Amino acid sequence: QQPVQSPQAVILREGEDAVINCSSSKALYSVHWYRQKHGEAPVFLMILLKGGEQKGHEKISASFNEKKQQSSLYLTASQLSYSGTYFCGPGRGGNTPLVFGKGTRLSVIA
Amino acid sequence: DAGVIQSPRHEVTEMGQEVTLRCKPISGHNSLFWYRQTMMRGLELLIYFNNNVPIDDSGMPEDRFSAKMPNASFSTLKIQPSEPRDSAVYFCASRPTGGGTEAFFGQGTRLTVV
Repeated sequence: QQPVQSPQAVILREGEDAVINCSSSKALYSVHWYRQKHGEAPVFLMILLKGGEQKGHEKISASFNEKKQQSSLYLTASQLSYSGTYFCGPGRGGNTPLVFGKGTRLSVIA
Repeated sequence: DAGVIQSPRHEVTEMGQEVTLRCKPISGHNSLFWYRQTMMRGLELLIYFNNNVPIDDSGMPEDRFSAKMPNASFSTLKIQPSEPRDSAVYFCASRPTGGGTEAFFGQGTRLTVV
């Protein structure tokens, strides 16, 4: 079952912040975040492996609340290069595959 | 390593024709996944393999779709017969065994069925 992401789309001006949320109806062991630029393949951003873990990548960070079965991606001081579609992929341990949501389309404008 | 390699990058075919998409995973990666991406449904998991064995094909939309992995370095996704609603971008991804590792995606095959 696909995770649910919100918002579905967001438009930001350079320098603004955004939060993308991801929730799952099933228990999570990890959360993967990917970004896909237009016409390209999804590219890995980060994995959160433990409940409460937070990670950062450039000015992009994420948190993981396993009790609530949720994760959030935080984009700070957005840049034009952040534009793209962001996907979360809840991991359920072992060799189970990543089932992605429909994604959040982020557009950063000057 | 050259990454995950998919071919062809673009395919235009007529309805009813057979289509075969190809994927070469990264050497040493034990898991391989096929995804389909459309605007309406996002990135859908079709099937995945572990050590060349199909584990879950519940995402395959219909019997017209089939996938094989005859060895660790090659996989195919076949659609026979193709229909216009199969038009989408198909991605192959691979990763080492284990749920805590990142998946690497190929550049995708854009399929158009007319």
